[in-house]
Amino acid sequence: QKEVEQDPGPLSVPEGAIVSLNCTYSNSAFQYFMWYRQYSRKGPELLMYTYSSGNKEDGRFTAQVDKSSKYISLFIRDSQPSDSATYLCAMSARAGTALIFGKGTTLSVSS
Amino acid sequence: DVKVTQSSRYLVKRTGEKVFLECVQDMDHENMFWYRQDPGLGLRLIYFSYDVKMKEKGDIPEGYSVSREKKERFSLILESASTNQTSMYLCASRASGPLITEAFFGQGTRLTVV
Repeated sequence: QKEVEQDPGPLSVPEGAIVSLNCTYSNSAFQYFMWYRQYSRKGPELLMYTYSSGNKEDGRFTAQVDKSSKYISLFIRDSQPSDSATYLCAMSARAGTALIFGKGTTLSVSS
Repeated sequence: DVKVTQSSRYLVKRTGEKVFLECVQDMDHENMFWYRQDPGLGLRLIYFSYDVKMKEKGDIPEGYSVSREKKERFSLILESASTNQTSMYLCASRASGPLITEAFFGQGTRLTVV
């Protein structure tokens, strides 16, 4: 079993839809959880991060971590065509160490 | 504006060549990483370094080596390039410490081995 599982999609939604992206993981030591967004031919950029369990909201984006279920989610409200990208979940057990990534979900938002 | 800079965006090399991919960060981060990204496989860790002259193998180190002579620079070396090393290579850096710290990525080097 891979340490981090993420459905690669692709996921296609109309503008204004609510998008839910998810990852599951197997290592209970993971405490640092991040979501990166990667546009085509670019490097990944951090979108959201959380420590341990709980929710975090930033504008149209909400990140949730459920450590008991080893499950993390990213919700995008009122999705825009500019949200079209690949979304990567990433996590690590300790600060500063290598992040373990999911395979990424490709999202397309049509206007 | 924090920055991780990779020396080349696109490279084309021949099978058997020795290839150097360079990465420089300006954030004084202790930790630096090399990943490769392939369709359907995601980002896979090749090597990482927690300090100058220190290196650790990641998940897929075969066919690669690294060098970290200065804190800001982390080089990935393909000793004898092969076609299965055609990929997008991403360098990242990350600060140490107890606080939540993100990894900052470079723009990537798309390497084609022919």
